[in-house]
Amino acid sequence: EDKVVQSPLSLVVHEGDTVTLNCSYEVTNFRSLLWYKQEKKAPTFLFMLTSSGIEKKSGRLSSILDKKELFSILNITATQTGDSAVYLCAVCNAGNNRKLIWGLGTSLAVNP
Amino acid sequence: GAVVSQHPSWVICKSGTSVKIECRSLDFQATTMFWYRQFPKQSLMLMATSNEGSKATYEQGVEKDKFLINHASLTLSTLTVTSAHPEDSSFYICSARDVAGVANEKLFFGSGTQLSVL
Repeated sequence: EDKVVQSPLSLVVHEGDTVTLNCSYEVTNFRSLLWYKQEKKAPTFLFMLTSSGIEKKSGRLSSILDKKELFSILNITATQTGDSAVYLCAVCNAGNNRKLIWGLGTSLAVNP
Repeated sequence: GAVVSQHPSWVICKSGTSVKIECRSLDFQATTMFWYRQFPKQSLMLMATSNEGSKATYEQGVEKDKFLINHASLTLSTLTVTSAHPEDSSFYICSARDVAGVANEKLFFGSGTQLSVL
């Protein structure tokens, strides 16, 4: 059965800290891995990764995929209180209508 | 970026009534839309896949007669919670794929609907 496991489930840090969020997966017919940020309502897209070893970067956020070890990490440097959110990882199964399999998310709280 | 509009953002209704939630893709066409349910502090639970012009595909354990889905056009899908009960109270989110997009597994989400059934 396809599954996506995120760790840690929750994390509390101080502003300025660097955090690393983990996402491991077991999915048949892997197509891509996606990261989303969910604050209060709709998840917003962060990154989509398809190839191993190529870092995607957007400001203080970056992410990389390892298709051999079946995991991805999301790094946030110099955290700010606005980074507080739930970070969701999803993996796309290339078959089955390209359904996304979602992890439970990591709840990040950044304290001032 | 692609915009998905979901309406209403919150609704309170009496037990036994039906509630309709709309999901529209505003600046792109979506042959496929997805309806999710989310409980507090939990992840997204896929309820069904809505396909334009055909019947929706429901996930195991989701009652198709309870949660009616209609995807009548390339920009609109609706979810109707029929004969709502308090246990149906939840946060419902729709999402859509841009049919023209190269990476069309990327989902764009509506802002969600908080349903409270009294």
